[in-house]
Amino acid sequence: AQTVTQSQPEMSVQEAETVTLSCTYDTSENNYYLFWYKQPPSRQMILVIRQEAYKQQNATENRFSVNFQKAAKSFSLKISDSQLGDTAMYFCASMEYGNKLVFGAGTILRVKS
Amino acid sequence: NAGVTQTPKFQVLKTGQSMTLQCAQDMNHEYMSWYRQDPGMGLRLIHYSVGAGITDQGEVPNGYNVSRSTTEDFPLRLLSAAPSQTSVYFCASTMDSTDTQYFGPGTRLTVL
Repeated sequence: AQTVTQSQPEMSVQEAETVTLSCTYDTSENNYYLFWYKQPPSRQMILVIRQEAYKQQNATENRFSVNFQKAAKSFSLKISDSQLGDTAMYFCASMEYGNKLVFGAGTILRVKS
Repeated sequence: NAGVTQTPKFQVLKTGQSMTLQCAQDMNHEYMSWYRQDPGMGLRLIHYSVGAGITDQGEVPNGYNVSRSTTEDFPLRLLSAAPSQTSVYFCASTMDSTDTQYFGPGTRLTVL
């Protein structure tokens, strides 16, 4: 069974600085997908970034990038130039074939001015 | 496109009452899922569907029923609500087995 672990319940960062959120996962599959979702106070789940396990290149989306270490089963999210609007709960999730997501417990990120 | 819509946004029930959480999508997605979110536990899969007429259980299906009579709709039924079902419920949809899931705005349910 898939498992996803986020070991940082809360983190804070100063505006304009860089922060990295950690995630480790476990799966027995070779083909799988990894995601970071953002949940602001509005409660809406918003996709931040997606990584296909078969791709060696780390995914990037503007200020967001991942460090995907397949052998270590690690999938961290780096947020550069943090903005107040980045304040949210961040969930790491994994998905095997069949599109059933397994989520970590989440990390609350607070961006301070 | 409205995307994934859920009604109601908030609901308070008494123990033993029944209700249906509605979910609809207008993106012609085949796959739809229901998740619940509890503090400290992330989101957990309740039930899912890979197409009209086809449903299956997720990680935490007890106390919930689903059906999928159309591609667009995927209602979640609580037959006899219990305080343990107090949670935020999310519906999600996606095109196929490997595509990204898109979430509705959620329903906050409180069972007294």
